[in-house]
Amino acid sequence: EVQLVESGGGLVQPGGSLRLSCAASGFTFSSYEMNWVRQAPGKGLEWVSYISSSGSTIYYADSVKGRFTISRDNAKNSLYLQMNSLRAEDTAVYYCARVEITMVRGPVGFDPWGQGTLVTVSS
Amino acid sequence: AIRMTQSPSSFSASTGDRVTITCRASQGISSYLAWYQQKPGKAPKLLIYAASTLQSGVPSRFSGSGSGTDFTLTISCLQSEDFATYYCQQYYSYPPYTFGQGTKLEIK
Repeated sequence: EVQLVESGGGLVQPGGSLRLSCAASGFTFSSYEMNWVRQAPGKGLEWVSYISSSGSTIYYADSVKGRFTISRDNAKNSLYLQMNSLRAEDTAVYYCARVEITMVRGPVGFDPWGQGTLVTVSS
Repeated sequence: AIRMTQSPSSFSASTGDRVTITCRASQGISSYLAWYQQKPGKAPKLLIYAASTLQSGVPSRFSGSGSGTDFTLTISCLQSEDFATYYCQQYYSYPPYTFGQGTKLEIK
């Protein structure tokens, strides 16, 4: 079964740091591009960051650029998000999501998603 | 960045109804559009990609159409398990990937 499991969320003070992890199983992790997507309480989905299968290409949303760092360890089938200088507006459920690939069309959206991990930034 | 706008933001319907949700892109995205379903407390689930292709395992009552800037998601005969929030997403031009604001489908 293809599965993504996030961990590392919790309560952190403004200005603090947190590292999220996403453990992948059931597929060849090193062959897939990955993303982090977040959802603030009661709000919609916001893409946060992307990393290519090799880790050589990385993108960030403007809202987190310079504060968050995405990385992966293909030997450990794991994706990470290092979050520094956290702000109240970073409070959200953070999901890791795999880029779905089809034979005919290539990348076609995100599937599957992990169950999410809640990050709360508050004093 | 490409903006995605869904309408309506929410609405009520009854089991058995046919419903349509609209998603508009701020610029042409060809057919590089996905639809997701999200239930409370759960992760989003990919329903449709390439604007009209059903993801494996998705019931055939779901369908998608459109290209360019205007897209629709249709549920032909609402079932109780379909009451959820639906999001569109463009993957034509990134970064950033962008999502619509969501459409919450509630029971009338």
